[in-house]
Amino acid sequence: QSVLTQPPSVSAAPGQMVTISCSGSASNIGYSSVSWYQQVPGAAPQLLIYDDYKRPTAIPGRFSASKSGTSATLDISGLQTGDEADYFCGTWDDSLNSWVFGGGTRVTVL
Amino acid sequence: EVQLVESGGGLVKPGGSLRLSCETSGFIFSDYSMIWVRQAPGKGLEWVSSISSKSGYIYYGESLEGRFTISRDNSKKSVYLQINNLRVEDTAVYYCVRDARPGFLEWYRLFSFDYWGQGTLVTVPS
Repeated sequence: QSVLTQPPSVSAAPGQMVTISCSGSASNIGYSSVSWYQQVPGAAPQLLIYDDYKRPTAIPGRFSASKSGTSATLDISGLQTGDEADYFCGTWDDSLNSWVFGGGTRVTVL
Repeated sequence: EVQLVESGGGLVKPGGSLRLSCETSGFIFSDYSMIWVRQAPGKGLEWVSSISSKSGYIYYGESLEGRFTISRDNSKKSVYLQINNLRVEDTAVYYCVRDARPGFLEWYRLFSFDYWGQGTLVTVPS
């Protein structure tokens, strides 16, 4: 059971938008910034979003994120087949003195 | 170019030990916290351990402390993970990861993970 809760899967047609939620508590999402990671099959994860909503320079603007209270969301707009991957949220939990990940969400492009 | 290269994985019998190594290049290693993350086959990401830039803050995932020991050698730009008394459930790809936030002073916490190695597979057969 992960400390952060994500839906196991989401899907949409090419060009559509998907939203992935990440729910936590006051000691983790409510305390620290959230980051998101994309893992395509067979590859190492890569940083998609950091500091709740910032994108590394190589990440396209189709990926956006936000945070409110103890929940965070990742939006992927203009869905492409190359976006099929697992997506993980993560943050620091100051009560546990540990990093916590969500269980991951599989994105499927229909 | 930032590079993280893990080594030391392999097939080990239950109860055995392994030392994973991660050699880095392309950045000022002594300014960054380093992390080990693992992923069991078909499962999600699990944070294993982290060590701050000057080794002042060391943390382990729940139930891992005692069998896992993280260390670093700033002169060699390397981080290590010693795993003792290996169990079947330790079977996973182990990733070496860099925390994104540098600092002249040590950070007690982590911020985000901006560079990942390719991973090294540890297999403990049943």
